[in-house]
Amino acid sequence: LAKTTQPISMDSYEGQEVNITCSHNNIATNDYITWYQQFPSQGPRFIIQGYKTKVTNEVASLFIPADRKSSTLSLPRVSLSDTAVYYCLATPNAYSSASKIIFGSGTRLSIRP
Amino acid sequence: NAGVTQTPKFRILKIGQSMTLQCTQDMNHNYMYWYRQDPGMGLKLIYYSVGAGITDKGEVPNGYNVSRSTTEDFPLRLELAAPSQTSVYFCASQGLNTEAFFGQGTRLTVV
Repeated sequence: LAKTTQPISMDSYEGQEVNITCSHNNIATNDYITWYQQFPSQGPRFIIQGYKTKVTNEVASLFIPADRKSSTLSLPRVSLSDTAVYYCLATPNAYSSASKIIFGSGTRLSIRP
Repeated sequence: NAGVTQTPKFRILKIGQSMTLQCTQDMNHNYMYWYRQDPGMGLKLIYYSVGAGITDKGEVPNGYNVSRSTTEDFPLRLELAAPSQTSVYFCASQGLNTEAFFGQGTRLTVV
């Protein structure tokens, strides 16, 4: 499983766009990039997943450049409720669930009024 | 829609005691996982299972045991509780074409 590296913490303000970058230099050809969100005292929750280029859903966008050595989670117009820990994972074809899911330390995002 | 259910939510154990953390999912997922999360840290994989009757070690399996006799249930057993096992434990399940779904966690304190 490829190791991912992301900032330990980030701060932003309500209404701003927040971009969290994840580095995965050794990502394998079959690996997908998956992001989870975790609120205090809760289990992680799936946000978005992608393999290449750009993926967008109702919550976030995920940008993956052609070399796939990094990815960026973009949260548009954040609110106080987006304060959470965000985990970037590289997993082999996550939707086929062929392997164990390993979490890193995540990025602690704090949103201020 | 229950999803992944963990019991108990809280427990205090004395050193040397044993207990079983229960995890049940009603989504017919083949894959199930147990994690522990220490304060301010990320999740560490303890054990996982790819189907009934099949289990394997994760990153931190020492001091724990699991079994998977049915698709729905994946209990985690602590045989001799130690203070180092004080943590929040999360169970998760995942299907062939789904993301992972997590339970609400069990907060365990060993004193």
